Amino acid sequence: ETGVTQTPRHLVMGMTNKKSLKCEQHLGHNAMYWYKQSAKKPLELMFVYNFKEQTENNSVPSRFSPECPNSSHLFLHLHTLQPEDSALYLCASSQGNGAGAGEQFFGPGTRLTVL
Amino acid sequence: QKEVEQDPGPLSVPEGAIVSLNCTYSNSAFQYFMWYRQYSRKGPELLMYTYSSGNKEDGRFTAQVDKSSKYISLFIRDSQPSDSATYLCAMSAGGSYIPTFGRGTSLIVHP
Repeated sequence: ETGVTQTPRHLVMGMTNKKSLKCEQHLGHNAMYWYKQSAKKPLELMFVYNFKEQTENNSVPSRFSPECPNSSHLFLHLHTLQPEDSALYLCASSQGNGAGAGEQFFGPGTRLTVL
Repeated sequence: QKEVEQDPGPLSVPEGAIVSLNCTYSNSAFQYFMWYRQYSRKGPELLMYTYSSGNKEDGRFTAQVDKSSKYISLFIRDSQPSDSATYLCAMSAGGSYIPTFGRGTSLIVHP
């Protein structure tokens, strides 16, 4: 595997379910990100991890819970979501959370549908 | 006013046309300017990365930055159907490097 991988690619869940999204980067980067992409809206930064430490939480509702066990893996735990949370969830990584952070490498995303 | 404005399109052009994609921004602290390309069912991939004002060329692609007007452009020469994708502009300031993205412009190049 190369680059940034995400699983699952598609997820349909009910509002009472609990599920997790997984991201893995094979680039040796130190920073990882979760973004939400909705139709016709800019990418919304959700969480940032730098060297496994969360450095940014962009006022994300607590029904989204990130976890970063090491610099290569990132999870997004989901529970009691709302239909408006349906979107494409993108994981990205970069060399660091500083100069060069703009060069982000994205995974293919998880298309989430909340019923 | 949004920090980064980008017309979502869609922009439909015939094969071989010159395409111009644009973004405007309001934050004068932005110094790094990027264009990402996103194919359907894929994540965005970095296409062009420029610092401050001026032009940068890479094959059929030219990125242009005009900081005085707070306006950036991406030109695609001899457009191909394989260029059909959504193009997102992104920019970041010197002191805070996480980029701010535009909405993306959907480009369709028809044969």
